[in-house]
Amino acid sequence: GESVGLHLPTLSVQEGDNSIINCAYSNSASDYFIWYKQESGKGPQFIIDIRSNMDKRQGQRVTVLLNKTVKHLSLQIAATQPGDSAVYFCADYFSGTYKYIFGTGTRLKVLA
Amino acid sequence: DGGITQSPKYLFRKEGQNVTLSCEQNLNHDAMYWYRQDPGQGLRLIYYSQIVNDFQKGDIAEGYSVSREKKESFPLTVTSAQKNPTAFYLCASSSQPQHFGDGTRLSIL
Repeated sequence: GESVGLHLPTLSVQEGDNSIINCAYSNSASDYFIWYKQESGKGPQFIIDIRSNMDKRQGQRVTVLLNKTVKHLSLQIAATQPGDSAVYFCADYFSGTYKYIFGTGTRLKVLA
Repeated sequence: DGGITQSPKYLFRKEGQNVTLSCEQNLNHDAMYWYRQDPGQGLRLIYYSQIVNDFQKGDIAEGYSVSREKKESFPLTVTSAQKNPTAFYLCASSSQPQHFGDGTRLSIL
């Protein structure tokens, strides 16, 4: 079976509650940030992104918050559902290098 | 349907053998990337290409090779020089955000 996600930090939430997943990045020059969801055996799926000139962006049931002062990114999922169970990870991008840097991920478990 | 297609989904390599992973995109993106994913680690960049006929080494390029003869295609060869090839390999293309294929799982026989 899929072994990606072993030894990752895990966040367990009750169905219907809100989830908050956090991420730290290291490059203060990064100018673009993304959150991905990865299910077992599949490639990462884009959730939401934000540029460095913003501090908050909302999507459907998801919100991304960016704090450039402390180089911190968070993903908030409202009314968490069983289908939200997956590994979530962030990525930051610096246009000067064309490269994305990925976090190690957090496993979200939704309890019925 | 626009997207990135990786094949095969599962691949087995014998010792001393080179194997090639396919990646095709129809998103008309200039930039394409190859990553390796190991348990408990973030994605690590193997190679990337910003334009046809040009590519750059990423952080872990040793034992791998690529070509970019067409905009749509960016195949990755895992050579026998890569001593620990067992991993999940992900191809991506980018026009912000970066989009991923569904990966190839490579194992050693």
